[in-house]
Amino acid sequence: AQSVSQHNHHVILSEAASLELGCNYSYGGTVNLFWYVQYPGQHLQLLLKYFSGDPLVKGIKGFEAEFIKSKFSFNLRKPSVQWSDTAEYFCAVKPFSGGYNKLIFGAGTRLAVHP
Amino acid sequence: DAGVIQSPRHEVTEMGQEVTLRCKPISGHDYLFWYRQTMMRGLELLIYFNNNVPIDDSGMPEDRFSAKMPNASFSTLKIQPSEPRDSAVYFCASSCNREHCEQYFGPGTRLTVT
Repeated sequence: AQSVSQHNHHVILSEAASLELGCNYSYGGTVNLFWYVQYPGQHLQLLLKYFSGDPLVKGIKGFEAEFIKSKFSFNLRKPSVQWSDTAEYFCAVKPFSGGYNKLIFGAGTRLAVHP
Repeated sequence: DAGVIQSPRHEVTEMGQEVTLRCKPISGHDYLFWYRQTMMRGLELLIYFNNNVPIDDSGMPEDRFSAKMPNASFSTLKIQPSEPRDSAVYFCASSCNREHCEQYFGPGTRLTVT
């Protein structure tokens, strides 16, 4: 079955620390990849997306992600986090198999950034 | 565009009562999704529609849950009868029908069943 694995469920960092959140998926075909962010008490918002082309994708608020096809990974990075980055982060995959498919979400990673 | 609209934003009801959650997708979007989010189970896809037709309802927990999409601009998720374990945040999302489309989420309905 198709699945998305996020390695860390909880991450605690100090401001200015670097961030990397892991995401791996299990699907051998073509995929679209997404990172969504959910700030406390809010809905999911798109952070960045990969459809094709340059595997290094830049998103909003200084986030970026790198698609490594050979590793089935799409890790999220930010060189210097801020307190306002405290949120839950979801990796999602949309496999292509001849028609539209639903998004498959990971379990999420809760990030807490301390001042 | 106003984005995905959900109502009510908060609902508190007693066990056994019927609950109806409403969603208006972004105009022009052909896909509509209902999700449930809880601390224990995370984000779960309940059902999704394409052009108002239910495509996959395998995530609907049981017969107490039903969803309809009578037209392109409106969908409902109904729970009858409601139970305390249904307490969660219910999100609606919509998406276009082209190859590279992301899902846009609504603000959610926080349901509490006492």
